[in-house]
Formats: sequence, structure tokens, C-alpha cells
Amino acid sequence: GAVVSQHPSWVICKSGTSVKIECRSLDFQATTMFWYRQFPKQSLMLMATSNEGSKATYEQGVEKDKFLINHASLTLSTLTVTSAHPEDSSFYICSASRGHYNSPLHFGNGTRLTVT
Amino acid sequence: AQKITQTQPGMFVQEKEAVTLDCTYDTSDPSYGLFWYKQPSSGEMIFLIYQGSYDQQNATEGRYSLNFQKARKSANLVISASQLGDSAMYFCAMRDGSSSNTGKLIFGQGTTLQVKP
Repeated sequence: GAVVSQHPSWVICKSGTSVKIECRSLDFQATTMFWYRQFPKQSLMLMATSNEGSKATYEQGVEKDKFLINHASLTLSTLTVTSAHPEDSSFYICSASRGHYNSPLHFGNGTRLTVT
Repeated sequence: AQKITQTQPGMFVQEKEAVTLDCTYDTSDPSYGLFWYKQPSSGEMIFLIYQGSYDQQNATEGRYSLNFQKARKSANLVISASQLGDSAMYFCAMRDGSSSNTGKLIFGQGTTLQVKP
């Protein structure tokens, strides 16, 4: 069964509003979670690394004030898209791992965001 | 810096035949893991197979096998006896063990595989 749960699966919001996406590790504690963004027919681009109890590490070019990440517990990370605009419409997907480089990342089912 | 390259944007294969999806990688860290994921049109990411940098033998998982050539820095995925349900996008990815890396997974560009009946 799924080991990472992501909600909502899809969301439509109006331009200027904020949207929160939740990512939960279901049967293990994840000190680190990762948030990716994917445009149609393209690869997954890492946005940020979410660290439990500390600030997220953002990849170059990702606006940290626009994409707020909170990792308040060992099983929950949230991504908030603030003041969303149509260009933020995308597929957002989170992931977590039980271990380090020799362990796969388990992915949530993703959130399809449409900003109108 | 880490880099993953998939040079085949799209591939076709006849049902029941085998197909090889190419992947090359680059990293300066001696400890790393290579992964293949399948992404059907629904969007979920399905983990297929893993190869560690210190593994002596090629990984196999059912119909999936990984042709690991360390000196050439390639990690090609072989799917045997293709099925219609194999039609999807396939991603090669890598995590390395450098302390500055946090174990993030970096993806290649992806290959869209279509299985013909």
C-alpha cells in the first residue's frame, strides 16, 4: 500500500489566493521530504528539501516566499503556494525516504493545481 | 555535480518483445544509488528497480533488469516481454552519498514508451 499520502489530488483556485498541499509519511518517520514540480510531458524538477524542525532548502530559482514549506513533524510536510498565478499551474509531488542514497524515494500521488 | 541523461524522448516496442531504455549519469561521489521509476498517465511514480554503486551484479526485478556499466557510467533499463500496461513515461534517477546532498533524487528527462499490440 501507499507509504506516502498527498492531499489534495487536485485543486482549482483563483488567481491571488493561496493553496496548501499536505504530504504525510504513513508508516515511517521522515526527517527529510522532497517537493517536486512537473510540467506536462517533462521531468520532475526538485523545488526544495523539507527538513523537520528547520528551514527548508530551496533549489536555485525557486522563490521561497512564494512556495512556503513547513515540516512541523516527522510525518507531515506542507507546501503552500502563496498568491497563486496561472503560471503556477502544475503537478506538484512530494516524496520521502526511509533511508539515504541506497533507498528509493516513495512518492505521493501528486497534486494537480490549476489557477484560473 | 550530479547529472542524469536520457537521450530517448520516445520509444516504441511490439508487445511481447524486449526494450532497452538508455540512461547515463555523472557524479563525483563514489557512493550512489541509481533508480528507475515508471509514471503512467495517472501521474503516480512507481519505483521499479535499484542499483547501488558498489553492487557487483546487475539488479533484476521480475521483467525489469538494469544493465549497469560503471566504467561507462550507464544504467540502462531492460524490460522483457513487454505488455500493453508498460506504456508510460520512464525516469532514470540518482541519489548520491555526499554529505552536502541530503540524498535528493535527481531525474533524467524521461522516456515515453509505447507498447504496440
